Amino acid sequence: GQQVMQIPQYQHVQEGEDFTTYCNSSTTLSNIQWYKQRPGGHPVFLIQLVKSGEVKKQKRLTFQFGEAKKNSSLHITATQTTDVGTYFCAGRTQGGSEKLVFGKGTKLTVNP
Amino acid sequence: NAGVTQTPKFQVLKTGQSMTLQCAQDMNHEYMSWYRQDPGMGLRLIHYSVGAGITDQGEVPNGYNVSRSTTEDFPLRLLSAAPSQTSVYFCASSRAESTDTQYFGPGTRLTVL
Repeated sequence: GQQVMQIPQYQHVQEGEDFTTYCNSSTTLSNIQWYKQRPGGHPVFLIQLVKSGEVKKQKRLTFQFGEAKKNSSLHITATQTTDVGTYFCAGRTQGGSEKLVFGKGTKLTVNP
Repeated sequence: NAGVTQTPKFQVLKTGQSMTLQCAQDMNHEYMSWYRQDPGMGLRLIHYSVGAGITDQGEVPNGYNVSRSTTEDFPLRLLSAAPSQTSVYFCASSRAESTDTQYFGPGTRLTVL
């Protein structure tokens, strides 16, 4: 079945350092979504990418969707303590079922 | 709008007991789903529904039943609880199944002894 691999599983950074998490699919995706889950909370939608090669920015966050629509990345510039949490990617296979498959997430901790 | 609500927030069961986790949304969303979250495993899809009267299995459906009699409600039933079902359960909804944002409920933390 469709798999979405996400690396790294954990990332610890000093405040002010950059952070990147990567998402790779075994099959072509119709879209990819990114979610953030704060400790003890629930996943909250951040953004969706649909087009091949698409790049979107939200303040210090940059999201990319690969040309082949099989990989994606989330980059945070100059991390802050408020960035702490687990970041998940989720995608659906092109022409596939309605199921949304989540990566296992990258847990980010930030040392002040 | 309350969004997606889940009850209870916490639950402790004994092995073999049954219970229903409630999920409701007031956004008139067609698509609803249940996930379980375990450490290091991310979010795994249990069951989902693309509309009232229609349900389908996800990645880990065994031991769980669902029904969707109304657009608003999507309860998850544990038939005979097992310690392996100790987890945090999230319900989510979206307008449509293919491209829309998933709105998650606050979760139910379930412990099976």
